[in-house]
Amino acid sequence: TQLLEQSPQFLSIQEGENLTVYCNSSSVFSSLQWYRQEPGEGPVLLVTVVTGGEVKKLKRLTFQFGDARKDSSLHITAAQPGDTGLYLCAGAAGGAGSYQLTFGKGTKLSVIP
Amino acid sequence: GAVVSQHPSWVICKSGTSVKIECRSLDFQATTMFWYRQFPKQSLMLMATSNEGSKATYEQGVEKDKFLINHASLTLSTLTVTSAHPEDSSFYICSALKGQGKQPQHFGDGTRLSIL
Repeated sequence: TQLLEQSPQFLSIQEGENLTVYCNSSSVFSSLQWYRQEPGEGPVLLVTVVTGGEVKKLKRLTFQFGDARKDSSLHITAAQPGDTGLYLCAGAAGGAGSYQLTFGKGTKLSVIP
Repeated sequence: GAVVSQHPSWVICKSGTSVKIECRSLDFQATTMFWYRQFPKQSLMLMATSNEGSKATYEQGVEKDKFLINHASLTLSTLTVTSAHPEDSSFYICSALKGQGKQPQHFGDGTRLSIL
C-alpha cells in the first residue's frame, strides 16, 4: 500500500506571505497530481507532474516533482485570500496501479486579508 | 475539456431509503470511473473502481451490497446507497479517467447525502 504524507495539515497565513506544502512518500509514483478543493465541491486539478525533477509554474503557484519521483512540493508566492482552500496531492503508481490515486490527507489553507 | 457532472448535488432522505447518485462524463468517454467518500475536514477515501461493462472493484471494508455500482455506458456510472442509515451520511464524489486509463482523474462536484 502506498502512503503519501502531506504537510502541514493546517496553514493560516497573512495575505502576501509565501508558503510551501509538501508531499512525501517512500514509494515511487509514475505521476503526481495537485488538486484544490472548495467546501461542498469536488477537487479541481491544478497540475500533473510526471518527470523526476520537473518544475511547473501556474501564475503564483510553483510545483516541483522530486528527482526520485517520491515527493513533491507546492509553493505559493504572495498568497491571496482567493487561494484559501483544501490542497490535495495525489500520486499514481506505475504499471497496473497507474489508474488509481493515493491521496494525501490534504492541507487546509486559510489566507487572511 | 474534461467535464464530469454529478447529480444530485444534495439529497436528504429518511433512514431506510435507497439513494441513487449519477456520475456523467460530458465531453469524453470514460471506461473507468471512481467513487470516493469524504468525511468533514478529511481527504478522499476511495470506495470502488467502476469499469464499463464489468463489475466494480471495491476497496477493503466497503460493502458491495450496500453500495451498488453500475457502469452501463461509457459516459455514466451510478452509485446506489441501499437502505441508507444516518452513518451513511457523507460527501460522495466521483471521478473519471479520460482516455485509456491515463491520469489525471477529473472530478465531479460531489453529492452531499444526509440521512435523517
